[in-house]
Amino acid sequence: DAGVIQSPRHEVTEMGQEVTLRCKPISGHNSLFWYRQTMMRGLELLIYFNNNVPIDDSGMPEDRFSAKMPNASFSTLKIQPSEPRDSAVYFCASSLADRYSGNTIYFGEGSWLTVV
Amino acid sequence: AQKVTQAQTEISVVEKEDVTLDCVYETRDTTYYLFWYKQPPSGELVFLIRRNSFDEQNEISGRYSWNFQKSTSSFNFTITASQVVDSAVYFCALIPSGNTPLVFGKGTRLSVIA
Repeated sequence: DAGVIQSPRHEVTEMGQEVTLRCKPISGHNSLFWYRQTMMRGLELLIYFNNNVPIDDSGMPEDRFSAKMPNASFSTLKIQPSEPRDSAVYFCASSLADRYSGNTIYFGEGSWLTVV
Repeated sequence: AQKVTQAQTEISVVEKEDVTLDCVYETRDTTYYLFWYKQPPSGELVFLIRRNSFDEQNEISGRYSWNFQKSTSSFNFTITASQVVDSAVYFCALIPSGNTPLVFGKGTRLSVIA
């Protein structure tokens, strides 16, 4: 079975440009998560969706960040305008979760973003 | 508050040594789930184990073993006879209740030297 698929794997962009990261969760999973990893802050949750609905976006750093999940098989994380401090690895992850299960969250390979 | 503490930032061992990675968690929930993930140098996050709060039985998988102790709120990970391929950052993580995201520790970087 295919895992969580993220694109692009690597992106280098200039400050001020728009960046769009894409994610396809594991088929059948109903929860999707966006995490960011930096040396300074480690792994931090940006936003998560359940059944395509954003549940908690308190980790989204600021208005420059937005995330959408138009359907069960696709999500985007957009940064506009990008800044050098946004340079990080962005992970998308998914799980088949219900209220009680605490099911395993599976991660994509990450999108390595560098803003120069 | 939900929190995971991995006090060991970096560990270096010689190949074939045993090594234990410590994990201490905090949660007020009675039902919770604990995880370990491995992040090799290539960068992906690989799931290793999931344990729920009602199952304190220790688990062994090949050279890997996990010791879950609710009394000390710890979920430690031991690698027996370490190998160079075990070199990675290892993250302990917590889901404090059924349908919430993972709370990660800061990770422990393990270097296994040949």
